[in-house]
Amino acid sequence: DAMVIQNPRYQVTQFGKPVTLSCSQTLNHNVMYWYQQKSSQAPKLLFHYYDKDFNNEADTPDNFQSRRPNTSFCFLDIRSPGLGDAAMYLCATSRDERGGGEQFFGPGTRLTVL
Amino acid sequence: SQQGEEDPQALSIQEGENATMNCSYKTSINNLQWYRQNSGRGLVHLILIRSNEREKHSGRLRVTLDTSKKSSSLLITASRAADTASYFCAQDTGANSKLTFGKGITLSVRP
Repeated sequence: DAMVIQNPRYQVTQFGKPVTLSCSQTLNHNVMYWYQQKSSQAPKLLFHYYDKDFNNEADTPDNFQSRRPNTSFCFLDIRSPGLGDAAMYLCATSRDERGGGEQFFGPGTRLTVL
Repeated sequence: SQQGEEDPQALSIQEGENATMNCSYKTSINNLQWYRQNSGRGLVHLILIRSNEREKHSGRLRVTLDTSKKSSSLLITASRAADTASYFCAQDTGANSKLTFGKGITLSVRP
């Protein structure tokens, strides 16, 4: 089945130790998104790729970076995780039709910062 | 903030009852979408209603949209315990492929 896969599902890192979260998709969608979701809050968009074009949200900290080496894969790099970065990180894709469309989400990666 | 608001924030009902959740938003939209999120999981798309539509059905789901009031409602009929989840509305303004999510409604369906 076509899907969005996130690895790992749970990630524990130490304060200040770089961490990379990965996302892959078999949907062949051209748009990929990274969201941060803290407990009982709405998903907050960090950035998204439209094809190879990177779009950063204005309030996304510099500590967060992303790479999209090809259509299928997208990575979220947190250069120096702080305690406040502990959250669920959600990857999503869409086949943007310029008229809007649904987003397909992965199961998320729960990040713990010790 | 462009974020919309859902109400109520939390809803607890008995299995078999109907659940109605409301969403208000602030800007013009291209479409409005509803998503479900089970605890600790990703979001699942439920239904999309375009700005020129007023009502849409999908199984036990009924969504309405009132663009003059900038509001939408999601009705789940004959609820089941498995409907227990958080529900989010999300606005697509047609700009930059992005959605703006509301804060979500926690629905508990008691068996």
